[in-house]
Amino acid sequence: AQSVTQLDSQVPVFEEAPVELRCNYSSSVSVYLFWYVQYPNQGLQLLLKYLSGSTLVKGINGFEAEFNKSQTSFHLRKPSVHISDTAEYFCAVSDYGGATNKLIFGTGTLLAVQP
Amino acid sequence: DSGVTQTPKHLITATGQRVTLRCSPRSGDLSVYWYQQSLDQGLQFLIHYYNGEERAKGNILERFSAQQFPDLHSELNLSSLELGDSALYFCASSVEGGGSPLHFGNGTRLTVT
Repeated sequence: AQSVTQLDSQVPVFEEAPVELRCNYSSSVSVYLFWYVQYPNQGLQLLLKYLSGSTLVKGINGFEAEFNKSQTSFHLRKPSVHISDTAEYFCAVSDYGGATNKLIFGTGTLLAVQP
Repeated sequence: DSGVTQTPKHLITATGQRVTLRCSPRSGDLSVYWYQQSLDQGLQFLIHYYNGEERAKGNILERFSAQQFPDLHSELNLSSLELGDSALYFCASSVEGGGSPLHFGNGTRLTVT
């Protein structure tokens, strides 16, 4: 079964500093990868997705992620964070070519941006 | 706004009771997914319906059931509620096709007392 590991439960960072949120998935076969963001008392919003092609994927709000097949990783990065980026970030995986697009989520990383 | 509508936003009920959560997918989306989010379990996939038929089942308890109606809205029924069922329940929808992202509603917060 697919699984996703987000090693950091919380990442504190100062405003305008760069940040990397780590995500590793367990699969020896092709997968689709996603990052979602959840602001307090809201649903999950899609940040970006990797389906195929270029390993560097750009998303909304200045975020990007790099797919690394050999390391089974899909880390999320932003060169300069803002206070408004404070939220919970979830990495997710779905099966390639499966009958369902269900997502398996990691446990989430709370990005806490400090002034 | 994702276009996915969930009602009600909040629900408070007692142990042993039964509740129904409702979800309307985005226009044009045939798939509906249900997830449970709690502090101890994180985001857990419950069930996926496509155009009225069950496509995949996850960690859904036997006390829980779901269905998708001809107008594509879906309902999640939770019965014999226990304190541990208190959680945020999300509905998501997507189009068909590998890699199609899920679009989430704002959830229903269920509190069982």
